[in-house]
Formats: sequence, C-alpha cells, structure tokens
Amino acid sequence: NAGVTQTPKFQVLKTGQSMTLQCAQDMNHEYMSWYRQDPGMGLRLIHYSVGAGITDQGEVPNGYNVSRSTTEDFPLRLLSAAPSQTSVYFCASTFSGGFFSEQFFGPGTRLTVL
Amino acid sequence: SQQGEEDPQALSIQEGENATMNCSYKTSINNLQWYRQNSGRGLVHLILIRSNEREKHSGRLRVTLDTSKKSSSLLITASRAADTASYFCAETSGSRLTFGEGTQLTVNP
Repeated sequence: NAGVTQTPKFQVLKTGQSMTLQCAQDMNHEYMSWYRQDPGMGLRLIHYSVGAGITDQGEVPNGYNVSRSTTEDFPLRLLSAAPSQTSVYFCASTFSGGFFSEQFFGPGTRLTVL
Repeated sequence: SQQGEEDPQALSIQEGENATMNCSYKTSINNLQWYRQNSGRGLVHLILIRSNEREKHSGRLRVTLDTSKKSSSLLITASRAADTASYFCAETSGSRLTFGEGTQLTVNP
C-alpha cells in the first residue's frame, strides 16, 4: 500500500490565485482530514470527512473548501490564496474509529503565498 | 484554543540517556495519542493511551496518563540519534483531535 499520498510537495502561489491540494489513500479508510502546521504551533484541523459525500468544518475552515466524492480522495481547495495561508498542509486518514484511532499522515505540502 | 501544552519545548540529551516529555491538556479526553515528526516529514503515530489506562508500553516507549492532573508523559529509554525528532501529543475528546505544539528532541551521538 502507498498509504496516504499528497501532491504537490511544494507550491508557490500569488495572492488571489486558487489551487487544489490533492490527497489520496489506498487503505479504504472512512475518515480523512486536513491539517495545517505553522511554525511554533501544533497541527490545526481545517476540514474533515467521515465518509464519501460527508464533510465538516474543523478549527480553521475559512478560505478552504473540501469535497469527498470517493472514499480514496479528499482534495483541499484554496479559493483565493492569502499570505496567511502560507503553511505546511497535512492530510490524514484513519479507519472506522475516526479521531479516536491512530491517524495515518501524508508527507505534507509546503505552500507559500506571496 | 483547546491546544494542550508540551514541556519542555526543546530537549537535548546524549545517546543512551532517557528522554521524558510532558503534555498537559484541558478537556476530558477519550484518549491521548503521541506522534513523532522527523524534520520535513509527516507525523507518525507512536502510541495511544485510553482515558481508563494509566500506563502503556511499546518497545522503548512508555506513556503514562494522569487524568486527575490532565497530564501525560512520554518516556523514551536508551535514546538513539535516530530518535531526534519533534514529538506531539494529541488529545481526543468529542469529535476532535487536538494537537499540542510539540517537543523538539535532539539526541547527540
């Protein structure tokens, strides 16, 4: 199994541009989530999904959209990038225990917004 | 924010020594998880301790949980240079998993 994969690994955007961060998992996990990690801070939850067709907001959802059309994929869309969105983004997945279970993390996408 | 706090923020030890990291949290938890992150990489799950457990072992790792003090500790015994990483605790309560800010551990050869 490839586990949780994320693309791209690095991205530079200009303010106002939009883009989609891709996340895929091949473990048939129900739960998937997106976090951002900023220097000196722990991970903060952006959005999560408990299954195909179901998404919900996390702690810092503003400026981001998600969708879950398949079990495998959980893309994160930045609608109009802002410098405050410069961060490292991690996707995670887990099985039926949801947040009560161990999370499997992708390698991250480092995003810079100029 | 419901983020917990880790203590110390940074820890530097010699190979072979034990490393202890502490985590304090604020809510009534279902469980508490510890993760490791190597520089520039994603997080890797280390161990999960449930709210009704007081101690758990996994290889060189020992985790304790004191729900009366809302605190947990991670002990790494006989540390190795390869243990150099950031370590995060994450508390699970309700429908959320909340991470602390992490402890940067450096193990010097």
